[in-house]
Amino acid sequence: KAGVTQTPRYLIKTRGQQVTLSCSPISGHRSVSWYQQTPGQGLQFLFEYFSETQRNKGNFPGRFSGRQFSNSRSEMNVSTLELGDSALYLCASSLGVLTGNNQPQHFGDGTRLSIL
Amino acid sequence: EDKVVQSPLSLVVHEGDTVTLNCSYEVTNFRSLLWYKQEKKAPTFLFMLTSSGIEKKSGRLSSILDKKELFSILNITATQTGDSAVYLCAVEEYNNNDMRFGAGTRLTVKP
Repeated sequence: KAGVTQTPRYLIKTRGQQVTLSCSPISGHRSVSWYQQTPGQGLQFLFEYFSETQRNKGNFPGRFSGRQFSNSRSEMNVSTLELGDSALYLCASSLGVLTGNNQPQHFGDGTRLSIL
Repeated sequence: EDKVVQSPLSLVVHEGDTVTLNCSYEVTNFRSLLWYKQEKKAPTFLFMLTSSGIEKKSGRLSSILDKKELFSILNITATQTGDSAVYLCAVEEYNNNDMRFGAGTRLTVKP
């Protein structure tokens, strides 16, 4: 069974640009969560999608947005990039069943975004 | 504010040593606590703990949760250089679909 796949692996952008990151969850997983990981702040939750709906959102500005498609694949978009957006962006998937939701999230390798 | 605190932040040991990593938490509606191991890329799942006092074991790794004192420990016995990684603790809450992560413990195992 293939794991969580994130593309691209690396990205270099300049301030003011926008970027779209992609995540394909494990087959059968319907919940996709996005995290930002930086040396200073650690792993911070961005948002979670289930059945094409955003169920939960972390404390990030509106420049960070996402969506999920009917095949559970998800994209994350960051607009008007800032230097502080340089980070490893991790995607995680789980079954996400609403009742008895006791399934761990499994992570992809991440997209490393550098802002110059 | 809800938080997850891991200690120590870093640890250097020699092969064969036993280590204990700590994770304490303060969240409103605790559902589960998870341990992950992160080497260079994706955090890989180790354990999910939901009940107090029940030890989960996988090879040389084991973990236990104390819901009364609000902490968990991760033990690694007979450490190997391949155990070198950042170990992350995360807590999930009911009626919430995110995980709150601690800062991690960076473990270095020297030959």
